Amino acid sequence: SQTIHQWPATLVQPVGSPLSLECTVEGTSNPNLYWYRQAAGRGLQLLFYSVGIGQISSEVPQNLSASRPQDRQFILSSKKLLLSDSGFYLCAWSVSGPLSYTQYFGPGTRLTVL
Amino acid sequence: GNSVTQMEGPVTLSEEAFLTINCTYTATGYPSLFWYVQYPGEGLQLLLKATKADDKGSNKGFEATYRKETTSFHLEKGSVQVSDSAVYFCALRAFSGGYNKLIFGAGTRLAVHP
Repeated sequence: SQTIHQWPATLVQPVGSPLSLECTVEGTSNPNLYWYRQAAGRGLQLLFYSVGIGQISSEVPQNLSASRPQDRQFILSSKKLLLSDSGFYLCAWSVSGPLSYTQYFGPGTRLTVL
Repeated sequence: GNSVTQMEGPVTLSEEAFLTINCTYTATGYPSLFWYVQYPGEGLQLLLKATKADDKGSNKGFEATYRKETTSFHLEKGSVQVSDSAVYFCALRAFSGGYNKLIFGAGTRLAVHP
């Protein structure tokens, strides 16, 4: 069966510090991968998605970047965190190809920027 | 463009009460529709889905019917339990640029009291 992991589970960082959140998927090959952010009291916003190694699409301009160095690894980064980067970050995967439609989410990382 | 509108929460109910969480959407074509649930401190889980008009998705006593004429996908449960307390997200699948993307509503928090 497929599983998706995220770490760390929680993170407290000062403004201006760098960020690296990691997501890995097991039990599937060539998945589509996604990063979402959920700000406090708000819905989910798609940040990035990837359909293959090195292929990243950004949905909104922001202070963050994403990379996919391996097939089942997706990394969310920032060089300098802002207060507004605080939130709950969710990674998700779906089966590759145009017929896929169900996304499966990881447990999330709660980021607090002080 | 594509969007999802959910009723604002929180929704507070007593155990065994009837639940309705409204969801309406705007989309081109005929999107697939989803309800996801987020229990406290966890990531999102797919609750149910419907892929075409008049389809009824169901799971764990929850139901939602895809109504094309009213562009709605309301979530219902006949008798809620304390364990149903969570945030519920309505979502649609937008097929854009060859890949599927989920567009989420803002979420509705449900609190069930004994």
